[in-house]
Amino acid sequence: ILNVEQSPQSLHVQEGDSTNFTCSFPSSNFYALHWYRWETAKSPEALFVMTLNGDEKKKGRISATLNTKEGYSYLYIKGSQPEDSATYLCAFDSSASKIIFGSGTRLSIRP
Amino acid sequence: EAGVTQFPSHSVIEKGQTVTLRCDPISGHDNLYWYRRVMGKEIKFLLHFVKESKQDESGMPNNRFLAERTGGTYSTLKVQPAELEDSGVYFCASTTGIPGELFFGEGSRLTVL
Repeated sequence: ILNVEQSPQSLHVQEGDSTNFTCSFPSSNFYALHWYRWETAKSPEALFVMTLNGDEKKKGRISATLNTKEGYSYLYIKGSQPEDSATYLCAFDSSASKIIFGSGTRLSIRP
Repeated sequence: EAGVTQFPSHSVIEKGQTVTLRCDPISGHDNLYWYRRVMGKEIKFLLHFVKESKQDESGMPNNRFLAERTGGTYSTLKVQPAELEDSGVYFCASTTGIPGELFFGEGSRLTVL
């Protein structure tokens, strides 16, 4: 059974602070790791798709790192803004077919 | 360019009835996925099409669920007969190549009474 774990489940951060959260996935049969941002009443939107061990990706104030050997990825948000409030999902692709999602980290930014 | 579209956005049916959900992927996207979210829990994989072929349907919960993708374009997900536990939001996503970011539709909310 493929298990994708995200922590923490929820996070409250003061506006302007930086934050990070974790996605853990099986270290075997790795194909790709996805990060998505999911706002309430909308559909998930892709942030990053990462394939190489040691990969680091950045989009504005958001960045992600990947360690496929130990099976984890970190998502970082620098200088949090109210519009960053959302649920952040990671998804593990082990076979180029079955993409499994974690339960997400719900981020709330306090003004 | 149109995104992934799903119909209906919300369906309310009685237990035992049949419902068919439809997904139109982005044009040219060979890969189409179905997911569902039940009771606010995580998004769970149902199946993956490559064109008209089912690549992986290991997430389909039971034989009351039937997915098709005739001609490799739009896909349908039929639930027959529907049970109370089938209530949830059914998402469709498509992508061009693998690996590639998934483009999600807005989901079809199914309520079984």
